[in-house]
Amino acid sequence: KAGVTQTPRYLIKTRGQQVTLSCSPISGHRSVSWYQQTPGQGLQFLFEYFSETQRNKGNFPGRFSGRQFSNSRSEMNVSTLELGDSALYLCASSLARNLPQETQYFGPGTRLLVL
Amino acid sequence: AQKITQTQPGMFVQEKEAVTLDCTYDTSDPSYGLFWYKQPSSGEMIFLIYQGSYDQQNATEGRYSLNFQKARKSANLVISASQLGDSAMYFCAMRDPGYSSASKIIFGSGTRLSIRP
Repeated sequence: KAGVTQTPRYLIKTRGQQVTLSCSPISGHRSVSWYQQTPGQGLQFLFEYFSETQRNKGNFPGRFSGRQFSNSRSEMNVSTLELGDSALYLCASSLARNLPQETQYFGPGTRLLVL
Repeated sequence: AQKITQTQPGMFVQEKEAVTLDCTYDTSDPSYGLFWYKQPSSGEMIFLIYQGSYDQQNATEGRYSLNFQKARKSANLVISASQLGDSAMYFCAMRDPGYSSASKIIFGSGTRLSIRP
């Protein structure tokens, strides 16, 4: 079974631009979560999508948004990029059975550099 | 609020030795799940092992085992017979029980493990 895939793997943008990242979950997984990882803040939860609806949201500004399609694939968008948005963006998928032992499986991440 | 603490920023271990990575957590919820993930330099977060708060036995997965001490709120990862490929960042994580979907994970700050040949 294929794992979580993320595209692109690397991205360079300039301040003020916008960017869209894509995530394809493991087949059969219905929940997709996004995390931002930076050296200073560590791993922080951005949001989670389930059945094309945002179910949970972390403490990030409205410039960060996302969506999920009917095939569970998800996209994340960041508008008006700032230097501090440079980070590794990780996508994780799970079956969303709401069980305590449910594991999230992560993709390889997208490294975004904002100049 | 839930919190994960990893007090070892970095560790050096000789190949083939066993290593223990420390993790303490804080939660008031009686039902919770604890995870360990490995992150090589490539960036991908690799799931290693899971421990549930109601599990009677410590979890084991191959060379990985979890020393779960519920009263002390600690969930240390033990890697037996370490290998060069074990060099990576290791994160302790907990499912945030405050979220109904149980899909949000809180991560510790991580421990960078380096294996010496």
